[in-house]
Amino acid sequence: QLQLQESGPGLVKPSETLSLTCTVSGGSINSSSYYWGWIRQPPGKGLEWIGNIYYRGSTYYNPSLKSRVTISVDTSKNQFSLNLSSVTAADTAVYYCARRLMEMSTNDYWGQGTLVTVSS
Amino acid sequence: QSALTQPPSASGSPGQSVTISCTGTSSDVGGYNYVSWYQQHPGKAPKLMIYEVSKRPSGVPDRFSGSKSGNTASLTVSGLQAEDEADYYCSSYAGSNNFDVFGTGTKVTVL
Repeated sequence: QLQLQESGPGLVKPSETLSLTCTVSGGSINSSSYYWGWIRQPPGKGLEWIGNIYYRGSTYYNPSLKSRVTISVDTSKNQFSLNLSSVTAADTAVYYCARRLMEMSTNDYWGQGTLVTVSS
Repeated sequence: QSALTQPPSASGSPGQSVTISCTGTSSDVGGYNYVSWYQQHPGKAPKLMIYEVSKRPSGVPDRFSGSKSGNTASLTVSGLQAEDEADYYCSSYAGSNNFDVFGTGTKVTVL
């Protein structure tokens, strides 16, 4: 059974960089069938797509976050990561990693999510 | 890219049906047959319920069905059960620069 697990600091200071890692177990990140991505949800609000990466490194970002987002992949560790720079309180959210089926354009497996709070 | 529009709430008694709408534009919902629906219980991650407008992943009850007409997609939950009480989000592919546009979310209450 595929599992995704987010990890990283739960508290980040304003203007600093938020960094999270998603570890994939029960399956390989090296597949031509999937993208791997990040989605966030501010407390009490809806979902927002952040971006996706292909195992060979191609990236796709939400235009509204593109200037601050970097997603990378480490196939040797079966992990992919999110960096979001210059954070503000508006970036406080539960961050989910997810697997995206390329052919069906849908997210079929999700991590449990991790709350990141931006505060001094 | 604006969020897709969903009604904030919907409700029904056990055994009844409830339908949730998801309205977008010709650049997202109307332009692609890549609409998904997710169910989210409080404090939990979203769960895929419908993909490609009307297809159900393995394990999702056939009480859940999806459809689309023009720029509006819909999710119908038939034979409502207590465990169906949750938030539901639609999403649509909107091009290579916008993999996922999500809906505003609908809270379904089982009366």
